[in-house]
Formats: sequence, structure tokens, C-alpha cells
Amino acid sequence: GAGVSQTPSNKVTEKGKYVELRCDPISGHTALYWYRQSLGQGPEFLIYFQGTGAADDSGLPNDRFFAVRPEGSVSTLKIQRTERGDSAVYLCASKSSGASTDTQYFGPGTRLTVL
Amino acid sequence: AQSVAQPEDQVNVAEGNPLTVKCTYSVSGNPYLFWYVQYPNRGLQFLLKYITGDNLVKGSYGFEAEFNKSQTSFHLKKPSALVSDSALYFCAVRAPGAGSYQLTFGKGTKLSVIP
Repeated sequence: GAGVSQTPSNKVTEKGKYVELRCDPISGHTALYWYRQSLGQGPEFLIYFQGTGAADDSGLPNDRFFAVRPEGSVSTLKIQRTERGDSAVYLCASKSSGASTDTQYFGPGTRLTVL
Repeated sequence: AQSVAQPEDQVNVAEGNPLTVKCTYSVSGNPYLFWYVQYPNRGLQFLLKYITGDNLVKGSYGFEAEFNKSQTSFHLKKPSALVSDSALYFCAVRAPGAGSYQLTFGKGTKLSVIP
């Protein structure tokens, strides 16, 4: 079956521009996560959706970052006024609901480069 | 706060030899522990997890991991390494109980299997 997909795979933008990154989770997965992976580091949590609502956005670094999931499926991570420090791979993961199904399945990521 | 340490940035092993990739963790309560593998320009692939039960967990591609509560460790092992096992390996922990189930990752260990 189809896994988590993310588009675009690569995004190059200029400092100060606005970008949107898209995540399409595994069908039927109600939980969706965004992580950011900087070079040489492990992924770091950004935000978690359960259904349509952002249940935990404690990992968002500042108010330039925002994410939505209006219909409880596809999610978009939005970054305003991009900075060079935002350059990283942005990973999306999805998971079935329920504490017994703890495995998060990751997409291939979007590599964002801010020039 | 939860944390994961992967003390080795790189592990080199000869093909056919056993391999171990080390992981220690810190979390309040009983941990949920995971190993993921990342191939170049690919997302994270789930290998195995420990939630409860037998301390020795078997996963994909012949990998296994042993949970040791007293040493707060969850080392990844494989009896006989393959060149195709060369990749970046991440250990992750999740705190028990309700919540966002966000994962905290280590910095990763690069495994190189030498033919």
C-alpha cells in the first residue's frame, strides 16, 4: 500500500520568502507529525495533529512556522519570512490512533534550502 | 524531559561479523523505544520497537535489540552484517502515557559494513 508522501522533494527559496510543504499520510491514519532534521542531527519534533486539530505544537520554533490539516488527512507546513537557519529536511510521519499502535511511519522528507 | 544518546557517531564492521549500535535513554516511567534506519536521501524506515514484554525484540532485516532497564540501554544488534546494512541508524524514545506520542531521537550512528 501507499506510504507517506511529501511534496516537493526539494525546495530552494530565497531568504524572506514564504514556503509551503505538503504531507499526504497513510490512508486512515488519524495522527500526523512534522519533524525537522538538520544536518548531522536526529529529527526534532515540531507539531502533532490528531484529526484536524493541532494537539501539540510545542516544537514549533517561532511564530513564522504554522501547520494546518483542514480535513484530517493532508497537512501543509507553512513557513513565513524564511531564514537561512530554516534550511533542513522536513519529515512528516503518520500513525494509527490508539496507544497500542505506536509506530510512526515516515515520508521521504522535503529538503528545504534557504539561500 | 526525555533524551537519547548514541555515543558513537560511526561504527565500522566487516561483512559477516556481528554488529552493535549503542543507545541509552532517559525518560520518566517505562519507555517506549524505537530504532529507525535512514538510507541516503530517503526517509526513516521503522526497524523495531520495545513497548513491553520480552526484553529481546526482533525486527526487520534480521535486526534485534535488547532492552536493559537497569542500564537504560536499547542496543541494536545483528549476528551477521551485510554491506547493504550500511546506513544511518536512529534510536528514539517516547514517554509512556497519554499525550502526543512525539518521539525524541538520538543524533544517529553511521554504520559502515566493509566488504
